[in-house]
Amino acid sequence: EVQLVESGGGFVQPGGSLRLSCAASGFTFSDYWMHWVRQAPGKGLAWVSLINNDGSHTRHADSVKGRFTISRDNAKNTLYLQMNSLRAEDTAVYYCVRDPPHCSGGSCHSNGFDPWGQGTLVTVSS
Amino acid sequence: QSVLTQPPSASGTPGQRVTISCSGSSSNIGSNYVYWYQQLPGTAPKLLISRNNQRPSGVPDRFSGSKSGTSASLAISGLRSEDEADYHCAAWDDSLSVWVFGGGTKLTAL
Repeated sequence: EVQLVESGGGFVQPGGSLRLSCAASGFTFSDYWMHWVRQAPGKGLAWVSLINNDGSHTRHADSVKGRFTISRDNAKNTLYLQMNSLRAEDTAVYYCVRDPPHCSGGSCHSNGFDPWGQGTLVTVSS
Repeated sequence: QSVLTQPPSASGTPGQRVTISCSGSSSNIGSNYVYWYQQLPGTAPKLLISRNNQRPSGVPDRFSGSKSGTSASLAISGLRSEDEADYHCAAWDDSLSVWVFGGGTKLTAL
């Protein structure tokens, strides 16, 4: 069974740091691009970061650029999100998601974020 | 403020057909695939529609997606009480080089 399990969330003061982890199982982790997506309380979904399958390419939303870093350890089947200089507006449930490709005619596109982990809550407050 | 625009709420009676819209621009919906996610109360989102109109395995054919220009729609036919959920649209944005989401639509079965 394909599974993503996040951990590392918690309560932190503004300016603090946290590292989220996402343990992947049931599939060949190194074959897939991965993302972090967050959801503030009562709000919609917001994409945070992506990383390609070997970790050589990453991208972050402007709202977290320079503060958050996505990384992965393919030997440990684990995705990470290092979050520094946390702000109250970073309070959210953070989801780890897999991004399977759909390739046809020599080009590949996302086949949609699937599956999603159960999420881990990050609360930034004084 | 979300890049993609969805109505905050939608409703219908059991058995009815309901549609949810998602409006974007030429840099996202206009030039890329649209994806829909269903989020049942208290749970993580789940992929519902891929690449505009493709249903992943296990998704009932009551759910369908379509796209025209810079807008997309999710249709649910034969509405059931278990369809009550938040529905989110998403697309890649070529100008921003990021994934963008709609604000989500809360569907209620009356």
